[in-house]
Amino acid sequence: ETGVTQTPRHLVMGMTNKKSLKCEQHLGHNAMYWYKQSAKKPLELMFVYNFKEQTENNSVPSRFSPECPNSSHLFLHLHTLQPEDSALYLCASSQGSGSGNTIYFGEGSWLTVV
Amino acid sequence: KNQVEQSPQSLIILEGKNCTLQCNYTVSPFSNLRWYKQDTGRGPVSLTIMTFSENTKSNGRYTATLDADTKQSSLHITASQLSDSASYICVVSALLTSGTYKYIFGTGTRLKVLA
Repeated sequence: ETGVTQTPRHLVMGMTNKKSLKCEQHLGHNAMYWYKQSAKKPLELMFVYNFKEQTENNSVPSRFSPECPNSSHLFLHLHTLQPEDSALYLCASSQGSGSGNTIYFGEGSWLTVV
Repeated sequence: KNQVEQSPQSLIILEGKNCTLQCNYTVSPFSNLRWYKQDTGRGPVSLTIMTFSENTKSNGRYTATLDADTKQSSLHITASQLSDSASYICVVSALLTSGTYKYIFGTGTRLKVLA
């Protein structure tokens, strides 16, 4: 238990569906992240939020839409995804976004787009 | 180009044996280097963090080394256990000119420990 909870753990969706991934951190951190992990590829940073403000968008397609209503919650809204978007989506948090801060990851949400 | 390369890609060892995983990086300017352990189907968990001035850091049976001159790091696992079976990811952070930090992830080494 890392203090970062993701739901659902597994999601199968069609290309025309709209779904959301949810992340909640219980660590009192002020920075939250979405990462994508595909097979045999390094983790790819998607979005960074600091104090619920988006500070980084790593050229992510608009079919991925993040939402951060407060410092403890982070959502990733999904619509009209492609099969190549199938991957493990990891939420993470840290006390700040400086390099000295350990990033704590959630267990991930396995997404399959059919 | 900022890159982190890990070797080997995969490794199989017998329980009780030692092993060493390698991480080479071309990240600049270097800020720190971390090793994460990721069990199958779960999120990565931090093992160690090393700054420029640190050569060695241990966490139980895990010992990480850093040579900032050659830009190499290694993770040594002593007396391996079945529970060590996982992917081990090297992450290097760089301080950008904007004052923000960028994390560069390696592709990981998949370790399997056999009984």
